[in-house]
Amino acid sequence: DAMVIQNPRYQVTQFGKPVTLSCSQTLNHNVMYWYQQKSSQAPKLLFHYYDKDFNNEADTPDNFQSRRPNTSFCFLDIRSPGLGDAAMYLCATSRRAPRTDTQYFGPGTRLTVL
Amino acid sequence: SQQGEEDPQALSIQEGENATMNCSYKTSINNLQWYRQNSGRGLVHLILIRSNEREKHSGRLRVTLDTSKKSSSLLITASRAADTASYFCATDDVGAGRRALTFGSGTRLQVQP
Repeated sequence: DAMVIQNPRYQVTQFGKPVTLSCSQTLNHNVMYWYQQKSSQAPKLLFHYYDKDFNNEADTPDNFQSRRPNTSFCFLDIRSPGLGDAAMYLCATSRRAPRTDTQYFGPGTRLTVL
Repeated sequence: SQQGEEDPQALSIQEGENATMNCSYKTSINNLQWYRQNSGRGLVHLILIRSNEREKHSGRLRVTLDTSKKSSSLLITASRAADTASYFCATDDVGAGRRALTFGSGTRLQVQP
């Protein structure tokens, strides 16, 4: 079945130790997103790729970076995780401009920072 | 600022009852979407309603949109314990020129068996 896959599902890292979360999709969608969701809050968009075009949200900290080496894969790099970065990280895709399209979410990666 | 605000924040009902959740937003939109999230999981798309539509149905779901009041409601009829989840509305923002959705704060629905 076509889907959005996130690995790992649970990630534990130490304060300041770089970590990479991965997302892959078999839907062949143009757009890929990374969201941060803290407990009982709305998902907050960090950035998205429209094909190779990278779009950073204005309030996304510099500590967060992303790479999309091809259509299928997208990575979220957290260069120096702080305690405040502990959250669920959600990857999503859509076929085209999200104004008119559904987003398909992966199961998420829960990040713990010790 | 948050584009979508949802009301109530939490709702607890008995199985078989109807559940109504409301979403208000601030700017002009092209469409509004509703998503569901089970605890600790990703979001699942439920329904999309365009700005020129007033009502849409999908199974036990009924969504209304009032663009003059900048509000939408999601009605789940004959609720089941399996409907227990958080429900989020999401809007695009025509004016901002952003190719992204903004999610509301969500309603946590608990359906008691």
